[in-house]
Amino acid sequence: SQQGEEDPQALSIQEGENATMNCSYKTSINNLQWYRQNSGRGLVHLILIRSNEREKHSGRLRVTLDTSKKSSSLLITASRAADTASYFCATEETSGSRLTFGEGTQLTVNP
Amino acid sequence: NAGVMQNPRHLVRRRGQEARLRCSPMKGHSHVYWYRQLPEEGLKFMVYLQKENIIDESGMPKERFSAEFPKEGPSILRIQQVVRGDSAAYFCASSHAIREPQHFGDGTRLSIL
Repeated sequence: SQQGEEDPQALSIQEGENATMNCSYKTSINNLQWYRQNSGRGLVHLILIRSNEREKHSGRLRVTLDTSKKSSSLLITASRAADTASYFCATEETSGSRLTFGEGTQLTVNP
Repeated sequence: NAGVMQNPRHLVRRRGQEARLRCSPMKGHSHVYWYRQLPEEGLKFMVYLQKENIIDESGMPKERFSAEFPKEGPSILRIQQVVRGDSAAYFCASSHAIREPQHFGDGTRLSIL
């Protein structure tokens, strides 16, 4: 598997349900970031969690980081149709500032 | 506050022509990154620049691609003698400092005829 690999590849849920996406990585990191991308648009930064943090909240988003398992999860609570998008995790490795992205999870929230 | 501005949004070139993609970072940001995204894939790092300096170009193809971030003006990603395989969305991001969130533009979609 590659750095920043998301799971599942696609997720379809009903409005009001929670959506959980997972990300695994391989190397040591400074931080892990989650982004959202709507079709044909750029990436919108959602949340950054540093390597010494275990959990972070922002509105309806909750991110966890387990550095021992080299994994992270993004939880979107009370989902809305407007949350439909691709979600990417990206890791910033300790060796540099570049971000390494996974292939993304396509989330569809049905009204 | 304006975000990261990229232009053009869409660029069509014929094989063998040159493509120039421009990126103006967010105000106060001196770190610029370029990424390439192929259809249905994640973004792949190309190059990281600070004002007038290339810091990391390990993701850049060795030939035909170059990037600059001059003291004045936007960052430029230049692709010479384009080929069909260069068709992709090219995204620019900027940050205030290293280890801070990178903020992305809407990208330039390059199509090669």
